[in-house]
Amino acid sequence: GAVVSQHPSRVICKSGTSVKIECRSLDFQATTMFWYRQFPKKSLMLMATSNEGSKATYEQGVEKDKFLINHASLTLSTLTVTSAHPEDSSFYICSARDRGGSPLHFGNGTRLTVT
Amino acid sequence: DAKTTQPTSMDCAEGRAANLPCNHSTISGNEYVYWYRQIHSQGPQYIIHGLKNNETNEMASLIITEDRKSSTLILPHATLRDTAVYYCIVRVAHRDDKIIFGKGTRLHILP
Repeated sequence: GAVVSQHPSRVICKSGTSVKIECRSLDFQATTMFWYRQFPKKSLMLMATSNEGSKATYEQGVEKDKFLINHASLTLSTLTVTSAHPEDSSFYICSARDRGGSPLHFGNGTRLTVT
Repeated sequence: DAKTTQPTSMDCAEGRAANLPCNHSTISGNEYVYWYRQIHSQGPQYIIHGLKNNETNEMASLIITEDRKSSTLILPHATLRDTAVYYCIVRVAHRDDKIIFGKGTRLHILP
């Protein structure tokens, strides 16, 4: 079945540094990927829609200069958390749909801790 | 806002059937009902989806009412590994519409 892979699964970084998270569709092509963040015991919150070859669409309240999204190919989208702060610590999850299929498939998430 | 409402939490004894309800009274004619679950510290896992007919796969069964305003996910023989948050979502299939998650149902399987 369709598989979405995220890397890294965990990352710890210092305040002020930037962190890049990769989301790959392993056996299918995805023109659209979605990025979510999740705080402890809360539901997933959509951050942005990543579109291959064009700019991402951000949800209201999400800073596009803070969370840079690049979707350079049909199998890879990246989320870069720039100048990270402790409040950016969260669980980040991506998802994608096989163009020929129906359900969205999710990566296993990236736990970011900013110290 | 999410288009579905679910109970906040449920308990089920191991080995029994877990029946998780979902209300989606504003569902449109071309929207499907999807179910996902999220085990702690993992990404959501797709379970099943349907339009109006009942569906069954190796994981679960999905029962959709005739008016399509509600549905029930059935895990026929719950195990401890089924402890998770279960999300009911409505969306149009085969399109890249974004999914807005509700709060889901936290299912506890009791030994």
